[in-house]
Amino acid sequence: GIQVEQSPPDLILQEGANSTLRCNFSDSVNNLQWFHQNPWGQLINLFYIPSGTKQNGRLSATTVATERYSLLYISSSQTTDSGVYFCAVEPRDSSYKLIFGSGTRLLVRP
Amino acid sequence: GAGVSQSPSNKVTEKGKDVELRCDPISGHTALYWYRQSLGQGLEFLIYFQGNSAPDKSGLPSDRFSAERTGGSVSTLTIQRTQQEDSAVYLCASSPLAGGIQYFGAGTRLSVL
Repeated sequence: GIQVEQSPPDLILQEGANSTLRCNFSDSVNNLQWFHQNPWGQLINLFYIPSGTKQNGRLSATTVATERYSLLYISSSQTTDSGVYFCAVEPRDSSYKLIFGSGTRLLVRP
Repeated sequence: GAGVSQSPSNKVTEKGKDVELRCDPISGHTALYWYRQSLGQGLEFLIYFQGNSAPDKSGLPSDRFSAERTGGSVSTLTIQRTQQEDSAVYLCASSPLAGGIQYFGAGTRLSVL
């Protein structure tokens, strides 16, 4: 089946710093979604981004489907950005289920 | 409702007992998914419902696991004869259409003693 790899696995930032999280996937996909799991375990959808670039406030994401990767940019990080960021893909041959990467654990220090 | 609602939020059970986990999706969402999040396996797909179509059960780990969705709305995930390896957080998500953005509930944390 499709493999989804995220890097880095762990990231520590000082408040105000910028960061880039990467997601590589091994096969063609129908769509890709980025999620943030907060320290209480709630998964929040950040982006639905099968291709192209989207921005939402301090966050933006870019997916290059032909090269099978996606990037999540966090600018001017805040302590509330802490948590785990997951990339999830819907494989071409799937029935809309999502395959998740193992996540990037982010800690933003004040 | 405003979001996906799951109950109970926590469940502690003894090995060998049956448990039922409930998911109430966002009103009007036709697609409903169950996932499991555990330390060793990360986030795994379990089962997917879309309208009145037959569910995709390809992610269920064993025949002890089953799920149903009544009236195209509420779903129940049942685990029979629970084992310690079933301990995990069980997450439900819904989507307004197949392949759309998935909105997750807060999960049910299951502990099997």
